[in-house]
Amino acid sequence: EADIYQTPRYLVIGTGKKITLECSQTMGHDKMYWYQQDPGMELHLIHYSYGVNSTEKGDLSSESTVSRIRTEHFPLTLESARPSHTSQYLCASSDFREKLFFGSGTQLSVL
Amino acid sequence: GNSVTQMEGPVTLSEEAFLTINCTYTATGYPSLFWYVQYPGEGLQLLLKATKADDKGSNKGFEATYRKETTSFHLEKGSVQVSDSAVYFCALRPNSGNTPLVFGKGTRLSVIA
Repeated sequence: EADIYQTPRYLVIGTGKKITLECSQTMGHDKMYWYQQDPGMELHLIHYSYGVNSTEKGDLSSESTVSRIRTEHFPLTLESARPSHTSQYLCASSDFREKLFFGSGTQLSVL
Repeated sequence: GNSVTQMEGPVTLSEEAFLTINCTYTATGYPSLFWYVQYPGEGLQLLLKATKADDKGSNKGFEATYRKETTSFHLEKGSVQVSDSAVYFCALRPNSGNTPLVFGKGTRLSVIA
């Protein structure tokens, strides 16, 4: 049912590299979100956007940036990856009923 | 502020057992309440929701009732199956402002045959 896509599915990189995690949705949703999910499964909101050229910081935003140039695209960038960034990253969008649609996630490992 | 507290897991049950996962919340006004489920290797998906007091959300045999007096939204299922093994998240959406959903920490359920 969900038309929200994340790439890559898995990523292993070295410390200090710049990476961009991709997220796209074809549902025309204005609201999009990035979450980091720790091994204990708790979700932490990193960034969110309520429309083109609108971005807000969540709880864990200090080491990453996002952009929203097109409605369907909401990439997340880590300027300098560290081992502490090793985690699962989930992208989501929501419709007018506030129902969230999640992608399958990107599992990031920083060595 | 707004917060959600749900019972810690993991919860391990035998097939056909009764399931309850407790969820309580703190919020001003009348938030909307949700249960999301995350199956292994997947993102979260909406399981059920309730938007006002005394509403009952239901889906796939799961139910939860919005209890304003106890600020609770406990998830129940009468007879669990192995396929119900997943992580369950309780969440609320404040009814004021334009803020994202607030999630609980998740409860892992394992159902054994």
